[in-house]
Amino acid sequence: GEDVEQSLFLSVREGDSSVINCTYTDSSSTYLYWYKQEPGAGLQLLTYIFSNMDMKQDQRLTVLLNKKDKHLSLRIADTQTGDSAIYFCAPVQMASGGSYIPTFGRGTSLIVHP
Amino acid sequence: GAGVSQSPSNKVTEKGKDVELRCDPISGHTALYWYRQSLGQGLEFLIYFQGNSAPDKSGLPSDRFSAERTGGSVSTLTIQRTQQEDSAVYLCASSLPGVRGSNEQFFGPGTRLTVL
Repeated sequence: GEDVEQSLFLSVREGDSSVINCTYTDSSSTYLYWYKQEPGAGLQLLTYIFSNMDMKQDQRLTVLLNKKDKHLSLRIADTQTGDSAIYFCAPVQMASGGSYIPTFGRGTSLIVHP
Repeated sequence: GAGVSQSPSNKVTEKGKDVELRCDPISGHTALYWYRQSLGQGLEFLIYFQGNSAPDKSGLPSDRFSAERTGGSVSTLTIQRTQQEDSAVYLCASSLPGVRGSNEQFFGPGTRLTVL
């Protein structure tokens, strides 16, 4: 099955850029999602990229996809304290039952300090 | 409108007892997913319902786990003869149908299960 790896922690200073990296194993992944989980809240979709794209920009967020290396990254420009959360990488793959299911990594805790 | 709701928010049970966890998806969402999040781990897929199709049960870890979805809406995840390793947060998500995974999942707040 799919294996998704992320570093567990990232600490940045307010105003700097944050880059959260993710590697995955299933080259047939269709969509690749980034979800955000704020303290005490549920997961929310942050952004996504389709597998035939290599970059997507959405305001302060930039997603880069390197399909050859199976590497996905999320860059947050001008990181704010409100960006402190856990970020989950979730590439979609076909489960053994035939359904397309996102496979979630363990999440990267982003800590933003003043 | 209301988001995905789950109940109870917390459940403490004794080893060997059965538990039922409930999920109310967003109205009109035909797809419903159950995940398990153990401490320090990612979300582990358990089961997926889509409309009237047979559910994808490929993520269920053992035959002690089962789930139903009645009337295409509310879902119940049942864990029989609970074990301590079942302790985790159980998350439910719903979505509109999509093609090859192109559908945003809306997550509930989860049920924290503790098996003593």
